[in-house]
Amino acid sequence: EPEVTQTPSHQVTQMGQEVILRCVPISNHLYFYWYRQILGQKVEFLVSFYNNEISEKSEIFDDQFSVERPDGSNFTLKIRSTKLEDSAMYFCASRGQGSYEQYFGPGTRLTVT
Amino acid sequence: QKEVEQNSGPLSVPEGAIASLNCTYSDRVSQSFFWYRQYSGKSPELIMSIYSNGDKEDGRFTAQLNKASQYVSLLIRDSQPSDSATYLCAVNVFKGGGADGLTFGKGTHLIIQP
Repeated sequence: EPEVTQTPSHQVTQMGQEVILRCVPISNHLYFYWYRQILGQKVEFLVSFYNNEISEKSEIFDDQFSVERPDGSNFTLKIRSTKLEDSAMYFCASRGQGSYEQYFGPGTRLTVT
Repeated sequence: QKEVEQNSGPLSVPEGAIASLNCTYSDRVSQSFFWYRQYSGKSPELIMSIYSNGDKEDGRFTAQLNKASQYVSLLIRDSQPSDSATYLCAVNVFKGGGADGLTFGKGTHLIIQP
């Protein structure tokens, strides 16, 4: 069964550094999402992406964040200058045309020290 | 501001019994409703989706939606120890063009007692 994949599974970075989190959505899906979950808290929507542009973003998704689909398979989330409070699990999700169901990848645990 | 409310639990249910999980949401224009299961340290796994009032059954799972009451529930029949997890309720408004980010509740921690 097709799955969303994410790399790396765990990323440790120092405050102020840039990080890029990578996702490969399910191959025939057209809608892509990033969510985050701070330890012990709820899953929060960051951004949705369709047709090579951002469809919607939350208040969390400020100028420090950017997303890109650099090729036909990858979808990336970049954090330009990480802060301690960016430490969280980051989940990529995707859905297909004609369905509202979003399927999540295994996540990247980001630790900012 | 869209809010999704769930009882955090833990909800403890004997093996073989029915587990009933509830969720309320604040945004009346919400159109799509989802239940995800999340094991500790893992990602959300889609269990059920429901879009119209009434019941939707899939195996041991039944989702129920009442838009007038802004209420959605999940029933798990013949509960198994492997059902022990946190169940997340999520809603969205489909605005077209992929602008349909999910709003999640905090989740209900379900424990199935052998």
